[in-house]
Amino acid sequence: GAVVSQHPSRVICKSGTSVKIECRSLDFQATTMFWYRQFPKQSLMLMATSNEGSKATYEQGVEKDKFLINHASLTLSTLTVTSAHPEDSSFYICSARDMGLPSNEQFFGPGTRLTVL
Amino acid sequence: GQQVMQIPQYQHVQEGEDFTTYCNSSTTLSNIQWYKQRPGGHPVFLIQLVKSGEVKKQKRLTFQFGEAKKNSSLHITATQTTDVGTYFCAGVVSGNAGNNRKLIWGLGTSLAVNP
Repeated sequence: GAVVSQHPSRVICKSGTSVKIECRSLDFQATTMFWYRQFPKQSLMLMATSNEGSKATYEQGVEKDKFLINHASLTLSTLTVTSAHPEDSSFYICSARDMGLPSNEQFFGPGTRLTVL
Repeated sequence: GQQVMQIPQYQHVQEGEDFTTYCNSSTTLSNIQWYKQRPGGHPVFLIQLVKSGEVKKQKRLTFQFGEAKKNSSLHITATQTTDVGTYFCAGVVSGNAGNNRKLIWGLGTSLAVNP
């Protein structure tokens, strides 16, 4: 099946610093990738839809200047958490759709656990 | 706004008992998907239902899509400890196109199985 990797898996940073998270589709091309955050024992919250070659579409309440998304190729999307604060600590997960499949299933990366001190 | 409600939020069962989780959408869905997330893991796609009244089976798991394409259920027969995890339903709202074809996620049902 399709594989999505995410890097790093864990990151601890100081308040005020920026953190970049990479999401790669390893064996398929993805024009669309999705970025979610998940708090403990809660559901997935869609943050934004990342589109290759164009601006990301952000969900209501998500600050686009704080969560910068770049989808420069068909296999890579990045999420940069700028000027991170402790309340940004969360589990960030990306997912991607395989352009070659007729279904709408999303393939998820393993997630990145961000802790902001 | 568009919502997908999922119940129950938590379920504890004895191994061997059956388990069912239900999803209900406020609007008609073009399709609904089910995912499983193991503790500490990421969501893994289980199945997609597209047709009104559709029923699909995967071994001990039975998935149903309602006639009105607004509700769905996942039923597990004779649960095992390997079934532990959170089950999410996620639907695509009918008529939405482009970026609006995002998944609307239910809150998930966490299943615990006592051996």
